[in-house]
Amino acid sequence: IAGITQAPTSQILAAGRRMTLRCTQDMRHNAMYWYRQDLGLGLRLIHYSNTAGTTGKGEVPDGYSVSRANTDDFPLTLASAVPSQTSVYFCASSDSATSGSDEQFFGPGTRLTVL
Amino acid sequence: GESVGLHLPTLSVQEGDNSIINCAYSNSASDYFIWYKQESGKGPQFIIDIRSNMDKRQGQRVTVLLNKTVKHLSLQIAATQPGDSAVYFCADPQGGKLIFGQGTELSVKP
Repeated sequence: IAGITQAPTSQILAAGRRMTLRCTQDMRHNAMYWYRQDLGLGLRLIHYSNTAGTTGKGEVPDGYSVSRANTDDFPLTLASAVPSQTSVYFCASSDSATSGSDEQFFGPGTRLTVL
Repeated sequence: GESVGLHLPTLSVQEGDNSIINCAYSNSASDYFIWYKQESGKGPQFIIDIRSNMDKRQGQRVTVLLNKTVKHLSLQIAATQPGDSAVYFCADPQGGKLIFGQGTELSVKP
């Protein structure tokens, strides 16, 4: 069981380019999340999805979009990357309906550099 | 807005000593908290959680204390080991969305 996988592991991207970060979970969790982590700012929620077919905005959604076509996948797209989007991106999932808690399981992260 | 914060950005302890990491929260309605550990280059990993109907919860070498009166919680690590070196976050799930503190970096000196 892999848990949560993210791809790519790291990426250097020219400003203005479009980029999709991939996230897949095999735990059949209903909820999935995208965070960015910047030094000194902790983890901040970008977008989330409580169940397949629904998405919502988090704390810092501008410049990002997500989709949730099925339970397992939750891609994050940067339509036109800017240097301020340089960060480490973490995908997470949870299934409070099953576990009875709000524990979120995190992927290994994608390190993105926008030049 | 509501926030979760940590008192110290870094903590250095001697191997074998106990570590205490503190966290303050502002949302009086918060009723559930989670501590995460993040090792360098990895994603956060669940350590322990506590609900507001408890003052204390113990795990393996870790204890979380919750003081609802002053809106403060702490993570205590007994007999700190080099493998405990990491950044520790307290998090407050608000409507299923985690609000993270900034983190405390724990360094363990041999």
